[in-house]
Amino acid sequence: DGGITQSPKYLFRKEGQNVTLSCEQNLNHDAMYWYRQDPGQGLRLIYYSQIVNDFQKGDIAEGYSVSREKKESFPLTVTSAQKNPTAFYLCASSRQSGTTGELFFGEGSRLTVL
Amino acid sequence: ILNVEQSPQSLHVQEGDSTNFTCSFPSSNFYALHWYRWETAKSPEALFVMTLNGDEKKKGRISATLNTKEGYSYLYIKGSQPEDSATYLCASGAYNNNDMRFGAGTRLTVKP
Repeated sequence: DGGITQSPKYLFRKEGQNVTLSCEQNLNHDAMYWYRQDPGQGLRLIYYSQIVNDFQKGDIAEGYSVSREKKESFPLTVTSAQKNPTAFYLCASSRQSGTTGELFFGEGSRLTVL
Repeated sequence: ILNVEQSPQSLHVQEGDSTNFTCSFPSSNFYALHWYRWETAKSPEALFVMTLNGDEKKKGRISATLNTKEGYSYLYIKGSQPEDSATYLCASGAYNNNDMRFGAGTRLTVKP
């Protein structure tokens, strides 16, 4: 079935370690996004990519990095520079970039820093 | 309004009740409004994408309206069923710039 696959679903990390969250899509979508959710808050945009080898920072990009070497894949690295990384992370894609394109989401990854 | 706000935060209704909730968003530079339904342990799924003032959309028992001049959208559920229990998210986009602003959601629980 077509969709977005995120892994792992749960991840524990020690302080000072980098960790990479995987996001793969087989929908042939050009645009991909990473969002962060914290309790009681709306989803906040970390990074987005409109096309392979191009990506843009969202509101809260500090402490995160991404790559887009393939259309299907948009991994997110949470670096040790991210001061408060414990959160729920959602990856999404859309057929077209811009705000009129319906977003297709993965099931999310929950990162806990010990 | 600078951010997207949803109310109420949570709602408990009985099966068969009709219900509605609100999404308020910045009306300046508005471009698009999205509604998503997010069931526990699943992915958020799109319900509606709306762009025009006065637009009304319907999918089964769920419908939505949009007022871009005053910056609000209503989501209505007619005859709520237990399977409607979910968190409903709205998101607003300004211009066409890839940056959707999400509300914190309304958590609906429908009791049998």
